[in-house]
Amino acid sequence: DTAVSQTPKYLVTQMGNDKSIKCEQNLGHDTMYWYKQDSKKFLKIMFSYNNKELIINETVPNRFSPKSPDKAHLNLHINSLELGDSAVYFCASSRNRGDTQYFGPGTRLTVL
Amino acid sequence: AQSVSQHNHHVILSEAASLELGCNYSYGGTVNLFWYVQYPGQHLQLLLKYFSGDPLVKGIKGFEAEFIKSKFSFNLRKPSVQWSDTAEYFCAVNARNTGKLIFGQGTTLQVKP
Repeated sequence: DTAVSQTPKYLVTQMGNDKSIKCEQNLGHDTMYWYKQDSKKFLKIMFSYNNKELIINETVPNRFSPKSPDKAHLNLHINSLELGDSAVYFCASSRNRGDTQYFGPGTRLTVL
Repeated sequence: AQSVSQHNHHVILSEAASLELGCNYSYGGTVNLFWYVQYPGQHLQLLLKYFSGDPLVKGIKGFEAEFIKSKFSFNLRKPSVQWSDTAEYFCAVNARNTGKLIFGQGTTLQVKP
């Protein structure tokens, strides 16, 4: 019944590794997002897809690559992980742009 | 560029006290406004939102917010807080139809029993 789900919930990895975080929504929404919450709890948008098309791409290192295989899924792949990538990553979805965004439970990434 | 400012970073109240959290935004166009709450260790949940119409909106758990267009403000209020309201509160603004949700810095609310 979970509306927006993410896996894994926790991810601990070494610097230099490549990792992926998966997100799925069962709300039938057209738009999905990735946000990063830093250690001071500040939330910042990273990417957004609307019907599998990238519509928002903030100033994010190109080590981060989102992929949307279909409109219910938006995955985040991170190459060559750095210490500064440690954060909580939230996926969200909305019916369309501008509408209410519903958030997933978050993935806490720790880079050692 | 859009920005959102929350005036109170850390608020400590006793149970039954009244709450008001300030939020101001900078954007000249039409916006949608939101307050989200994040309980310890949990994800963000929508408290309330304003899209249009009555500028006084009511949300869940007895929260309300008032949109004052002339002041670019969307302050959150609750007449009587409970210990269970202890959480992080985020104001957010979305310029209509962009999908780009801009968050304030967040306010940590601690309610003492």
